[in-house]
Amino acid sequence: QSALTQPASVSGPPGQSITISCTGTNSDVGTYNLVSWYQQHPDKAPKLMIYEATKRPSGVSNRFSGSKSGNTASLTISGLQAEDEADYYCCSYAGDTTYVFGTGTKVTVL
Amino acid sequence: QLQLQESGPGLVKPSETLSLTCTVSGGFVWSSSYYWGWIRQPPGKGLEWIGSIYYSGSTYHNPSLKSRLTMSVETSKNQFSLKLSSVTAADTAVYYCARHPHPGTFDIWGQGTMVTVSS
Repeated sequence: QSALTQPASVSGPPGQSITISCTGTNSDVGTYNLVSWYQQHPDKAPKLMIYEATKRPSGVSNRFSGSKSGNTASLTISGLQAEDEADYYCCSYAGDTTYVFGTGTKVTVL
Repeated sequence: QLQLQESGPGLVKPSETLSLTCTVSGGFVWSSSYYWGWIRQPPGKGLEWIGSIYYSGSTYHNPSLKSRLTMSVETSKNQFSLKLSSVTAADTAVYYCARHPHPGTFDIWGQGTMVTVSS
């Protein structure tokens, strides 16, 4: 069970859009729509931002959106704001009653 | 509003057993709709799913930890617990408990508790 692959870092100026990729395999991301995304500020617990690949929980800004194509899921942050600076993790159900997280991406607002 | 709170020793000696408890408030651990999971994060590193348990006692484990892992649920106390045996420095991490439908999403998390393995 290998971690899903994410870029180590992504950055952009305020107001820009950025996209974080999350690449898995046919055994996880490619088979299940059960991909979720979490935002984690320093020394804080992860916060759910996207579930089932494209759905946004109540209370999460509509600047956050998710998509999936094949073995790769993506999180897009539109209109980047200073408060979006954080670590982001994807997670997928991997079958056989297991879950796998991504390697994590540090988002920097320039 | 459902809340989760982890508790347990912050320091464990190598080769001993790490024991943590997660207390559920504002909801019930015996909810038929949810599983209760454990996730950890070593300092400066990413998240790792440890395992999950249903109120009936049914459990799912990360294969890499299965041989050392024991999980249980105590409905009378609205709690669920984790025991990880034969710990090493590699088990040093912040340990989180979280709720999730199965299969599904970890939608509510505890604040996390830091556990250090050191003599």
